[in-house]
Amino acid sequence: GNSVTQMEGPVTLSEEAFLTINCTYTATGYPSLFWYVQYPGEGLQLLLKATKADDKGSNKGFEATYRKETTSFHLEKGSVQVSDSAVYFCALRNFGNEKLTFGTGTRLTIIP
Amino acid sequence: GAVVSQHPSWVICKSGTSVKIECRSLDFQATTMFWYRQFPKQSLMLMATSNEGSKATYEQGVEKDKFLINHASLTLSTLTVTSAHPEDSSFYICSAGTGEDYGYTFGSGTRLTVV
Repeated sequence: GNSVTQMEGPVTLSEEAFLTINCTYTATGYPSLFWYVQYPGEGLQLLLKATKADDKGSNKGFEATYRKETTSFHLEKGSVQVSDSAVYFCALRNFGNEKLTFGTGTRLTIIP
Repeated sequence: GAVVSQHPSWVICKSGTSVKIECRSLDFQATTMFWYRQFPKQSLMLMATSNEGSKATYEQGVEKDKFLINHASLTLSTLTVTSAHPEDSSFYICSAGTGEDYGYTFGSGTRLTVV
């Protein structure tokens, strides 16, 4: 079956630090991969996605590259801001399957 | 972009009563809607998948008689928590998609507190 493993949090960084949140997956076939962000008290927002190997998703300074050989989709940002404080979820969806499989989420806190 | 409106954003109810949560797709037709439950500091647990005009498909371990889902139109799905108990207190989130998307649009969530 499908599964998504994220690095455990919480992660606390200083403003302008470099961010990496690791995500690896197990899936049959060739899934689409996503990062969602959840700000306090809110639902999830799609941050970025990649639908095939070597694709790079990017948005708001965040990037993630679909690595088929390592089954990974690590989230990176070169310089984080206080406003990036949120919970980040890695997720996958198999082609032809409507369901999303989520990782456990990583809580990120950025301190000024 | 696609917007999903979820209402109410929070609700407090007495034990034994029922609560209805609405999920509306505002600018697109949603053939499929999903309902999730999120416990504090945990990931989302898929409760059920609803397709317009048909019965919802519940995940294993989710009581279909307790969590009633109705998807009567392409823009509205409702989740009714029947005979609520304190252990039903949680954050409920819906998501919707056309079935052609690679991802889905999520509502802002409903925090249910049963006292």
